[in-house]
Amino acid sequence: QQPVQSPQAVILREGEDAVINCSSSKALYSVHWYRQKHGEAPVFLMILLKGGEQKGHEKISASFNEKKQQSSLYLTASQLSYSGTYFCGTERNRDDKIIFGKGTRLHILP
Amino acid sequence: NAGVMQNPRHLVRRRGQEARLRCSPMKGHSHVYWYRQLPEEGLKFMVYLQKENIIDESGMPKERFSAEFPKEGPSILRIQQVVRGDSAAYFCASSPFDTQYFGPGTRLTVL
Repeated sequence: QQPVQSPQAVILREGEDAVINCSSSKALYSVHWYRQKHGEAPVFLMILLKGGEQKGHEKISASFNEKKQQSSLYLTASQLSYSGTYFCGTERNRDDKIIFGKGTRLHILP
Repeated sequence: NAGVMQNPRHLVRRRGQEARLRCSPMKGHSHVYWYRQLPEEGLKFMVYLQKENIIDESGMPKERFSAEFPKEGPSILRIQQVVRGDSAAYFCASSPFDTQYFGPGTRLTVL
């Protein structure tokens, strides 16, 4: 089951905050977050495991609500370099395949 | 420690030809995944392999597509008798267990 991401696209000015959501209809073992810039490979941001703590560093963090099967990615005081498409991927069991959402396109304006 | 390597980076084939895409995982990684990405779309899972074993191929089309990860050498994604609809970016990712690290991708164009 493909996770659902929202919003589909966001336009922000530099310095503003953003929240990207990812939800699944199935119980999850983990949620993975990646950022992909145009023409490049997806780059790993963080993984949140069932029973784990909120992750993050400085201005990019994420949470995982196991009861609701939802994860949110928080981008604080966005920088131009944050522009790209953000994908969440969900895993139902350990060592299972990751199913990715359709992505959220983030565009940061100077 | 070199990252995940894929070659070729760009591949052009005519309809009916075969395409072979190679992926060398990061050192020490025994899991390889292949994904297909169409322009402006997400990553679609194709196949998950460990050395000499196909663990999950539920995302692979039943015909023309095959994948292997031999004991020695890179993982190969093979597409026989390519059609225009096969044009896409194909990414592989390798993993030690939880986190997947992506290669730069192979952009396949079918004329």
